[in-house]
Amino acid sequence: EVQLVESGGGLVQPGRSLRLSCAASGFTFDDYGMHWVRQAPGKGLEWVSGINWNSNYIAYADSVKGRFTISRDNGKNSLYLQMNSLRAEDTALYYCANGFGELSHLLFWGQGTPVTVSS
Amino acid sequence: EIVLTQSPGTLSLSPGESATLSCRASQSVSSTYLAWYQQKPGQAPRLLIYDSSNRATGIPDRFSGSGSGTDFSLTINRLEPEDFTVYYCQQYGSSPVTFGQGTRLEIK
Repeated sequence: EVQLVESGGGLVQPGRSLRLSCAASGFTFDDYGMHWVRQAPGKGLEWVSGINWNSNYIAYADSVKGRFTISRDNGKNSLYLQMNSLRAEDTALYYCANGFGELSHLLFWGQGTPVTVSS
Repeated sequence: EIVLTQSPGTLSLSPGESATLSCRASQSVSSTYLAWYQQKPGQAPRLLIYDSSNRATGIPDRFSGSGSGTDFSLTINRLEPEDFTVYYCQQYGSSPVTFGQGTRLEIK
């Protein structure tokens, strides 16, 4: 059974940093691209970033480019999102999902980890 | 960036009827790289359709997708009570990946 479990969310002050993690199981992790998608409270889905299987190709949404960094550790079946210079508008539920490549439809999703940016 | 506009914002129908949801792109979507997702309250989205018209694993054939270029649609036949929720389209043909704002399907 495919499982994606996000962690690392929480309450953080504006301007500070946070690192999200996503632990994957039930599939061959390094066969898939991985993605982060967020959803602000009561709002729609916003794609954040995607990374291909060997980290050679990475893409970001304009809203996070230069502030967020996606990475993966295939040996640990894990995906990460380093979020710096956080803003109130980054407040959202952050999902990880798998797909094919750094630009892809998203096959399976985790249940998300909440991030709240507030003073 | 490709902007996806979904219409209508809310669609009111009865169980047993058919629903057609629209997704229009601000520019042509490369290689029909368009997907549809269903999201129920408190749950993560679920992939329904990819590459415009291919059903994801386990998705009933009541769900079908079509379209190319800038105009895409999701059709749900014989609506069941569990189908009344929110649907999103997504394009992944060019960076950045983008989602539509969603269509809410509600019981009339």
